[in-house]
Amino acid sequence: DAKTTQPNSMESNEEEPVHLPCNHSTISGTDYIHWYRQLPSQGPEYVIHGLTSNVNNRMASLAIAEDRKSSTLILHRATLRDAAVYYCILVNNDMRFGAGTRLTVKP
Amino acid sequence: GAVVSQHPSWVICKSGTSVKIECRSLDFQATTMFWYRQFPKQSLMLMATSNEGSKATYEQGVEKDKFLINHASLTLSTLTVTSAHPEDSSFYICSATPGGASSLKRTEAFFGQGTRLTVV
Repeated sequence: DAKTTQPNSMESNEEEPVHLPCNHSTISGTDYIHWYRQLPSQGPEYVIHGLTSNVNNRMASLAIAEDRKSSTLILHRATLRDAAVYYCILVNNDMRFGAGTRLTVKP
Repeated sequence: GAVVSQHPSWVICKSGTSVKIECRSLDFQATTMFWYRQFPKQSLMLMATSNEGSKATYEQGVEKDKFLINHASLTLSTLTVTSAHPEDSSFYICSATPGGASSLKRTEAFFGQGTRLTVV
């Protein structure tokens, strides 16, 4: 299975941008890059996904490297409600979670 | 937006009994649903892929006779933990995507709120 590597944890200050990196050097041509986040005792929540081009939505932006071996989730202005575990996942026919990055947002 | 609902949110059962967890897609048809298990401080682990009208596909190491999956309709999949033991205590989560597995990578997946199972 293609796998992703993310930092275990990151900290951010409230209202500042956050860049969450993800390495996926074994990505295949048909894998899409998805990001989900999970708050404690809840199911994961979709954030964003893409294939090759950078993507923007109301929650975040996704920057995908030209060789697709890495990507970065960008939260433009972190809020306290953005504190969660963020998962970068390569999706083809199923969805397998890695360890994710625990984001702490400081007031 | 599309919603996936799990029931119950939490359950406590005695060792040796069976527990059924339901996963419903409320406003779309889901030919495929996924079941995950999550232990404290750990990530989600894919247990099985539930396919409407056919047998579920289990991940290596997951006992199909212990974790019975029934996907009898396009909006409902159930996971039954049979003869539960304390080590089965965990957070169980389902997910579904409109259009099924073939659409999974091109669209967002919706997750249930999870079911916390405690076996005493």
